[in-house]
Amino acid sequence: ETGVTQSPTHLIKTRGQQVTLRCSSQSGHNTVSWYQQALGQGPQFIFQYYREEENGRGNFPPRFSGLQFPNYSSELNVNALELDDSALYLCASSLELGLNTEAFFGQGTRLTVV
Amino acid sequence: SQQGEEDPQALSIQEGENATMNCSYKTSINNLQWYRQNSGRGLVHLILIRSNEREKHSGRLRVTLDTSKKSSSLLITASRAADTASYFCAREYTGGFKTIFGAGTRLFVKA
Repeated sequence: ETGVTQSPTHLIKTRGQQVTLRCSSQSGHNTVSWYQQALGQGPQFIFQYYREEENGRGNFPPRFSGLQFPNYSSELNVNALELDDSALYLCASSLELGLNTEAFFGQGTRLTVV
Repeated sequence: SQQGEEDPQALSIQEGENATMNCSYKTSINNLQWYRQNSGRGLVHLILIRSNEREKHSGRLRVTLDTSKKSSSLLITASRAADTASYFCAREYTGGFKTIFGAGTRLFVKA
C-alpha cells in the first residue's frame, strides 16, 4: 500500500460528458502529478500540482484541468470526453518538490468512454 | 523523443535466470526511478537512483546509472514467475521536476 488512493476505480462515461477523478495523497505529501496511460503504453504526464498551484503541464488540451486542495488532495477534470480519453488515469504524490524523493502511485481509475 | 528509450520492449526468460532492462535519457536528470506494473494496475515503486549515485540495490534488484552514457539498467536476479510484469523507468529532468516515463519493458518469466 502506497497510501495514495484514487476514486472511483472504474468509470464508464458517454462521449461529450464531463468526468471528475479524485486522488488522496500520501500523508505529508504536497506534490501531486497526474498521468494518462493508454493500453500497452507508458504513462503520459498530464500536469503537476504543488501547494495548490499548477507546476507544469504536458501535451494535453485545456479540457483537461485540475485542482489541488489545501489538504493536498487533488482532482482531475476532463470536459467534452472523447473516445480516445479511454485510459487508466494515475496520480502520484511525492513529499516535496525538488527534494529528489520517490513518487508513489495510486491504483488508478479506469475510464471507458463509449 | 525527450524521454529516451527503453529496451528491450519485451523479454521472455525462464525462472531462475537474470533479467536486464535498459533505459536511456536525453538531457540532465535529477533522478531516475524504476517501477513495476502488473496487469494495468497501479505502479509499484522499486528503486530511485539520484544523478550523483552509480548503483543501488534492493533485494534481488540492482540498478546502475551511467550519466556519461545517459543510461540506466535494472537487473533482476534469480527471476520468479511472480516477476512477470511491465517495468518502467521514469526520468525526473532538471529544471522542471516532472517525471517522464518511457514505453516500458514487458517481462515474461516462465515457470
